[in-house]
Amino acid sequence: GNSVTQMEGPVTLSEEAFLTINCTYTATGYPSLFWYVQYPGEGLQLLLKATKADDKGSNKGFEATYRKETTSFHLEKGSVQVSDSAVYFCALAGGSQGNLIFGKGTKLSVKP
Amino acid sequence: KAGVTQTPRYLIKTRGQQVTLSCSPISGHRSVSWYQQTPGQGLQFLFEYFSETQRNKGNFPGRFSGRQFSNSRSEMNVSTLELGDSALYLCASSPSGRAPPGELFFGEGSRLTVL
Repeated sequence: GNSVTQMEGPVTLSEEAFLTINCTYTATGYPSLFWYVQYPGEGLQLLLKATKADDKGSNKGFEATYRKETTSFHLEKGSVQVSDSAVYFCALAGGSQGNLIFGKGTKLSVKP
Repeated sequence: KAGVTQTPRYLIKTRGQQVTLSCSPISGHRSVSWYQQTPGQGLQFLFEYFSETQRNKGNFPGRFSGRQFSNSRSEMNVSTLELGDSALYLCASSPSGRAPPGELFFGEGSRLTVL
């Protein structure tokens, strides 16, 4: 079935460092792909999305490109801030029950 | 525009009891989904309702049930609580009428602790 695998955390970076969180997927067809972010004590919120191959989603300095040849959707940011500390979830639309399938989440901590 | 509202935010129950959680979606959203979030299993899909009908269901036992009202508000119920039901229960609404939904808008969740 469809699935999402993302890198285990936690990831600890210094402010202004470069961020990459890896996400790969297994799916039939070409489902839409998403990155969601969960700040402490809050629910998830959409960070960015891509609906077809080669699409690049971007928001708040974060970017991810839908790569069908490598079945990947890696999240990147050139310069992280302390306020980016959160848990990041990769997801695809295409669960067998008509749901979004989420990765396990990657906790990011950014130190000043 | 008000976001997704979940009540209660925190609750403590004992094994064998039942619990009802409530979710008010964003105005105009007709799809409501429920997810269980635990440290070990991550986010697992419970069910989705659209126009008062359960449209999709995850792989949870029958103790987990839900419903949706005509105003799109939704409730989920867990009967005969077990220790393993301790989790953050997240509700999400979507403006999309198609399944699977595109962007989901999440509430802050209801944190259930079962003692």
